[in-house]
Amino acid sequence: DQQVKQNSPSLSVQEGRISILNCDYTNSMFDYFLWYKKYPAEGPTFLISISSIKDKNEDGRFTVFLNKSAKHLSLHIVPSQPGDSAVYFCAASAIGAGSYQLTFGKGTKLSVIP
Amino acid sequence: DGGITQSPKYLFRKEGQNVTLSCEQNLNHDAMYWYRQDPGQGLRLIYYSQIVNDFQKGDIAEGYSVSREKKESFPLTVTSAQKNPTAFYLCASKDRGWITEAFFGQGTRLTVV
Repeated sequence: DQQVKQNSPSLSVQEGRISILNCDYTNSMFDYFLWYKKYPAEGPTFLISISSIKDKNEDGRFTVFLNKSAKHLSLHIVPSQPGDSAVYFCAASAIGAGSYQLTFGKGTKLSVIP
Repeated sequence: DGGITQSPKYLFRKEGQNVTLSCEQNLNHDAMYWYRQDPGQGLRLIYYSQIVNDFQKGDIAEGYSVSREKKESFPLTVTSAQKNPTAFYLCASKDRGWITEAFFGQGTRLTVV
C-alpha cells in the first residue's frame, strides 16, 4: 500500500509560468515532508521541506503548501526555468521510532519548455 | 568537503555472482539508508541503519544484505538470491532527529548480465 502518492507521472510547463506538483499521503502519523529533485543517473538533492506545524514554507522560487486535513501537499515553482526540468520526489517521515525513515512517492517528471 | 560517496558509478556482474556496493559518508550522520530506483517505481527502501552494528529491513530487503561496522560506512551486498538485481542503487545518510533531510550519494548503476 503506497503511503505517499504522486498521481501525475509527468507535467509540462512553459518557461516563466508556474509549475505545481502535487503529493498525497495516507499515513496520518507523517509530520515532516520533503521535496527532492533528481536528474537522470544522479542522486536526489534536497529542495525544500515543511513540518506539520506549518502550512507554508518558501525558499526563493519554491514554495511548499501543506493541507493536513486533506493529507495533501504541493510544490509551487515560479517562475519555472528550463533547468528545473527533472524528476521531483515527495517524501514523508513520522516522529517516533520510525523517524529516521523516509517514505518516497514515485515521482513526477517536470519538463519546462523554453 | 563533507558528503556521501558511492562507488563505483557503474557496475557489471554476471548472473549468480554476489556484488557489494560501497557507501561512505563523512557527515557524521547516525542513520544510513539504501534505496533502489526502477523506472516508474520511485525510491524503494532496501535496508536502513540508525546506529552502528544495527540495521533494519526495508520494504524490499529480500536478496540483499548489509553491515554497519563503522559509522561512516554502510555497504550493500546484492546476492544471487535477488531475482531482478539490475537497477539504480542510492545510498543516503541523515542526521539524528525528526526535522532533518537525508543526503544522497550519486548512485550506482548495477547491470547483471
